[in-house]
Amino acid sequence: DAKTTQPNSMESNEEEPVHLPCNHSTISGTDYIHWYRQLPSQGPEYVIHGLTSNVNNRMASLAIAEDRKSSTLILHRATLRDAAVYYCIVYGTASKLTFGTGTRLQVTL
Amino acid sequence: SQTIHQWPATLVQPVGSPLSLECTVEGTSNPNLYWYRQAAGRGLQLLFYSVGIGQISSEVPQNLSASRPQDRQFILSSKKLLLSDSGFYLCAWSVRQGGSPLHFGNGTRLTVT
Repeated sequence: DAKTTQPNSMESNEEEPVHLPCNHSTISGTDYIHWYRQLPSQGPEYVIHGLTSNVNNRMASLAIAEDRKSSTLILHRATLRDAAVYYCIVYGTASKLTFGTGTRLQVTL
Repeated sequence: SQTIHQWPATLVQPVGSPLSLECTVEGTSNPNLYWYRQAAGRGLQLLFYSVGIGQISSEVPQNLSASRPQDRQFILSSKKLLLSDSGFYLCAWSVRQGGSPLHFGNGTRLTVT
């Protein structure tokens, strides 16, 4: 499985957009890009995933670079409830999924 | 809709005692099933995954084992717990299709004393 690199932490003001980056330079052609987030003492929650094209859902948007070696999770208007650890992972048909340490997002008033 | 049940929510066990954590999935068939462990302040470590009944793949050598006696049941066990087994244990499932999202349970907080 391809390895991902994310910043350890980021900060944002409430009501402002947040762009969380992820590098995955060893991604293969069949690997999907997934994002999850984890609140304290809870299991990770699926946020969004994509393969090649940008994706939007009610929670966030996913922007995928043309060469697919990086991606960005976009929270359009951060709220205090978006404070969490965000994980970017890439995987394809293999059954195992490996999580890194993620990005801890702090949201302030 | 699909749901995943994981119990117990918290557990305190003495060193050397056995362990059994159970996870069940409802509303789907033939899921891939996963056990993860998260130490305090750390990322998620994949322990086991299963693509079918009786089919278990181990990712990390340890004194834990996993079994899948039924299609939607996944059990994590240990004969003798170590202090280092303390952590947050998470069960997850996904459909078989490659690249499908994982859906996690609420986890079990295990403290070995």
